[in-house]
Parts: sequence; structure tokens; C-alpha cells
Amino acid sequence: SAVISQKPSRDICQRGTSLTIQCQVDSQVTMMFWYRQQPGQSLTLIATANQGSEATYESGFVIDKFPISRPNLTFSTLTVSNMSPEDSSIYLCSATPPGSNTEAFFGQGTRLTVV
Amino acid sequence: QKEVEQDPGPLSVPEGAIVSLNCTYSNSAFQYFMWYRQYSRKGPELLMYTYSSGNKEDGRFTAQVDKSSKYISLFIRDSQPSDSATYLCAMISGSARQLTFGSGTQLTVLP
Repeated sequence: SAVISQKPSRDICQRGTSLTIQCQVDSQVTMMFWYRQQPGQSLTLIATANQGSEATYESGFVIDKFPISRPNLTFSTLTVSNMSPEDSSIYLCSATPPGSNTEAFFGQGTRLTVV
Repeated sequence: QKEVEQDPGPLSVPEGAIVSLNCTYSNSAFQYFMWYRQYSRKGPELLMYTYSSGNKEDGRFTAQVDKSSKYISLFIRDSQPSDSATYLCAMISGSARQLTFGSGTQLTVLP
């Protein structure tokens, strides 16, 4: 199984600022995803991070608010821009190994609080 | 109506009990069914996955899929306090690229 390292693990940020979350996988993976998990809620997919091209965003999420980069097969970043308290959540990076779209692995998450 | 419905709980059982966790779904295209376990302040970890209908057993855990009823279950035998976590069901069709998750069931096993 792939090991996914995510940082920072938590942060408290001022409204109006931006935070970039990094996701590093210890092996090459096919797909990388970014999820948001509100307290007590399930996972909501923000976008699929595509290597070398623009991310694919889900309904309700836009590139200006959540710019994503994926410069290679093992690394991706998610930026939460112009933050408001409503952005307080856990942000999770996920990846699937080559040949599988079912065995998704997750990072430990970034717990973001916007004040 | 959500594509995947899961009772959020919380569910509290004594140590040694048999636990049954369930999800229902509406999309008949789903073919792969997963269960994830998420400890507090951790990311989800894949526990089991099954393809199509049937049972799959792994130690104390049994996953069951009934596609005719669009119903999946996870059974935990001889539950332990270390099983206390949130359990999320997830599923995907053969052509899709991303998983659809249930809302998760919070389980507490009391010593």
C-alpha cells in the first residue's frame, strides 16, 4: 500500500489569507484526489489532481478558490484561497495505485481552522 | 436522495459483541464496494473491498454485498475497544474514477 504524507497536519489561519497543503506519496500513483470532510460528515470530493494538466473540479468547487498543482506522479498541492470561517474543515489527499481505481489510500488529513 | 445512505449512529456496544454496519445505495452501476475505518484525527484506511454480490471474510471482519437489494454490510465479530472508530462505506462503478462515500457510522466498543 502507498504511504501518503500530508502537511501541515493542522493550522489556524486568519480569514482572507491562503494556505497551501502538500501531499507526498512514497510511490508513483495513477490518480490523486483532494477531499473535504466537515466535522461529523462524510468525504466530499473537491477535485482530481491531474499530472501535468489542470485539475478536474467537482460541482461547487472552483479553481480560483482551490487551486491545485500536480507537477509529477507523487506530489500534489491544494491551496485554500481567501479563506473564510466556512472553509474550516479537514482536507484529505487520496491516491490510487496503478491498475486500481478501488484501492484508494489517504493521508492523515489537514485540520484547518479559520478565525 | 443521496446515492449512498449510511446510518450515522453513534453505535455503542460492549466488548465481544457482534457489530453490524450497513449501507444502502441507489446507483445500480456500482460494482465495487469498500469499507474504510477512520480513527479520530486520522485519514480513512481501507479495511475491505468486494466485487459484486457475495461475502468476503478477513479475520473478525466480514463484508456482505446484496446487489439485488442494493444493500451492503460489514460485520465485526468479537468486537474490541480498538475497533472504536468511524466506519465509512464507499462504492464505485467500473467506469468511474472516484469513490462515492456514505456519511460514516461512529462505533464505540466499551471495555
